[in-house]
Amino acid sequence: DGGITQSPKYLFRKEGQNVTLSCEQNLNHDAMYWYRQDPGQGLRLIYYSQIVNDFQKGDIAEGYSVSREKKESFPLTVTSAQKNPTAFYLCASRRTGGNNQPQHFGDGTRLSIL
Amino acid sequence: GQQLNQSPQSMFIQEGEDVSMNCTSSSIFNTWLWYKQDPGEGPVLLIALYKAGELTSNGRLTAQFGITRKDSFLNISASIPSDVGIYFCAGETGANSKLTFGKGITLSVRP
Repeated sequence: DGGITQSPKYLFRKEGQNVTLSCEQNLNHDAMYWYRQDPGQGLRLIYYSQIVNDFQKGDIAEGYSVSREKKESFPLTVTSAQKNPTAFYLCASRRTGGNNQPQHFGDGTRLSIL
Repeated sequence: GQQLNQSPQSMFIQEGEDVSMNCTSSSIFNTWLWYKQDPGEGPVLLIALYKAGELTSNGRLTAQFGITRKDSFLNISASIPSDVGIYFCAGETGANSKLTFGKGITLSVRP
């Protein structure tokens, strides 16, 4: 099936540890996005990438890093510099070039601090 | 920065009732999107609106893109228990640009 796969579903981080969240899509979408969701809040953009080997900071990039070495993959690393990492992380992708191409989301990864 | 306002934070309705949700902004958007999120899952796109004044339906859902381009509404008719979830609006200012999300409305449906 075509879609966006996020893994793992649940992730636990120890203090001072970096962790990496996986996002893979087989939709041949050019653009990929990472959002953070906190209870009662909308989605806030962390990083996005419009094309392979290029990415831009979103609204809350501090304490996070990404890479885009392959079109289908956009992993997010939550570094030890992110002091409040507990949240639900959502990855999205979309086709670019042309109009009317909405973002579609994966099922998320819930990150908790041990 | 840009903000989208959705209120109230929660809505409670009886099964079979219709419900309407608004999304407003002080900024103009060129695209309005409505998503539904179930607990522990990612948002699913319900309706996308691309033209001011556009009225679009998807089954029991109807959404409109406001003429001023600063608002949108979503109507759900004849609600059923599986309509329970969080409904987000999102706006986009230009082709392939970033989305701005509202904080969502949690809908509860009493059987």
